[in-house]
Amino acid sequence: DVVMTQSPLSLPVTLGQPASISCRSNQSLARSDGNTYLNWFQQRPGQSPRRLIYEVSNRDSGVPDRFSGSGSGTDFTLKISRVETEDVGIYYCMQSTHWPWTFGQGTKVEIK
Amino acid sequence: EVQLVESGGGLVQPGGSLRLCCEASGFAFSRYWMSWVRQAPGKGLEWVANIDQRGSGTDYVHFVGGRFTVSRDNAKNSLFLQMSSLRVEDTAVYYCARATSTASVDYWGQGTLVTVSS
Repeated sequence: DVVMTQSPLSLPVTLGQPASISCRSNQSLARSDGNTYLNWFQQRPGQSPRRLIYEVSNRDSGVPDRFSGSGSGTDFTLKISRVETEDVGIYYCMQSTHWPWTFGQGTKVEIK
Repeated sequence: EVQLVESGGGLVQPGGSLRLCCEASGFAFSRYWMSWVRQAPGKGLEWVANIDQRGSGTDYVHFVGGRFTVSRDNAKNSLFLQMSSLRVEDTAVYYCARATSTASVDYWGQGTLVTVSS
């Protein structure tokens, strides 16, 4: 199985400041069709996961533009340009290039 | 509005069986792959299974080991997960999710809790 490794696992952030989460895979996530199936999900406390980003950098409808995704191959990043209170939660990267689809361990974002 | 509503969770003894259901609405259910994902209490997310639009193609993660079966009834807009030989480590919230053509999932249900304990 593809192992997804996130860092940091805990991220205290000051309101209005940027935040960055790294996600690395132990195999390339680039598929032969030219696409890279790397997703980011947000799980707020007590809620179901919500997809933020798909195919590395495509933001879902309704996702604020302060969220952005980047990367290629085995190295990916989720950035929040200015953290707001509603961004508190756990963020997971997920690869769907190789079966079984696998998640990172999650990064807990909290306000300092 | 896309809605996915899971049901069927509960307390079951080790070795027992349970059937989860996910009722879908707000979209053309028969046109989408569907998925089951689980989350043990206080832990991360873990894929369980996928099923294609017609129910003829399924994928399972290795820990299922033939114990779980995913199926669907497109006439009733429903997805199922039949679980047998349940183990304590199967205790989790089970989510159904809609899979997309871009090898992802975009909508999730609220989840149903399965507790395996004696």
